[in-house]
Amino acid sequence: AQTVTQSQPEMSVQEAETVTLSCTYDTSENNYYLFWYKQPPSRQMILVIRQEAYKQQNATENRFSVNFQKAAKSFSLKISDSQLGDTAMYFCAFMKSHSGNTPLVFGKGTRLSVIA
Amino acid sequence: DVKVTQSSRYLVKRTGEKVFLECVQDMDHENMFWYRQDPGLGLRLIYFSYDVKMKEKGDIPEGYSVSREKKERFSLILESASTNQTSMYLCASSSGGLAKNIQYFGAGTRLSVL
Repeated sequence: AQTVTQSQPEMSVQEAETVTLSCTYDTSENNYYLFWYKQPPSRQMILVIRQEAYKQQNATENRFSVNFQKAAKSFSLKISDSQLGDTAMYFCAFMKSHSGNTPLVFGKGTRLSVIA
Repeated sequence: DVKVTQSSRYLVKRTGEKVFLECVQDMDHENMFWYRQDPGLGLRLIYFSYDVKMKEKGDIPEGYSVSREKKERFSLILESASTNQTSMYLCASSSGGLAKNIQYFGAGTRLSVL
């Protein structure tokens, strides 16, 4: 069974600074997907970024980028120029297939606070 | 935009009651999921469905059942609610197409069982 570990339960960062959230996972699969989801306080969970394991290039979405190290089974999220609106719970998630009928396996989450 | 709607944001129920949590999606997605979210535990899969009337158990199905009579609606049923089922429940949906594996989430239902 796959497992996802987020070792930082809480983090804080000053506005405009850069912060990195850690995620490691364990799997015997070769092709899989990794995700970062964001859950703002009292609001809906939304996708931040998605990485396909067979792609060498790290995914980026505006201020959000990942450092995907397949051999090390590591998938960290970097947030540049942090904004107050980035305050949220962040979940790292694993999916063992490209098919949409495959459930996600989530980490326990990292609560990020952006401080003015 | 994909919309996943959960019928209630907050629910308070008594121990032993039968509880229905409803989820509706408007994007004709084949797949729907129910997760439970608890502090320090992340999200855990209860059940999912990949087609009408089809269902698969997740990691923590005990005490729950589901119903999917129509493609757009996926219901989670607590047959006899217990206090340890007090939690946040999240519904999600995704398309069935290859590489279309992004899950879209509802706003969640916070259930308190007293």
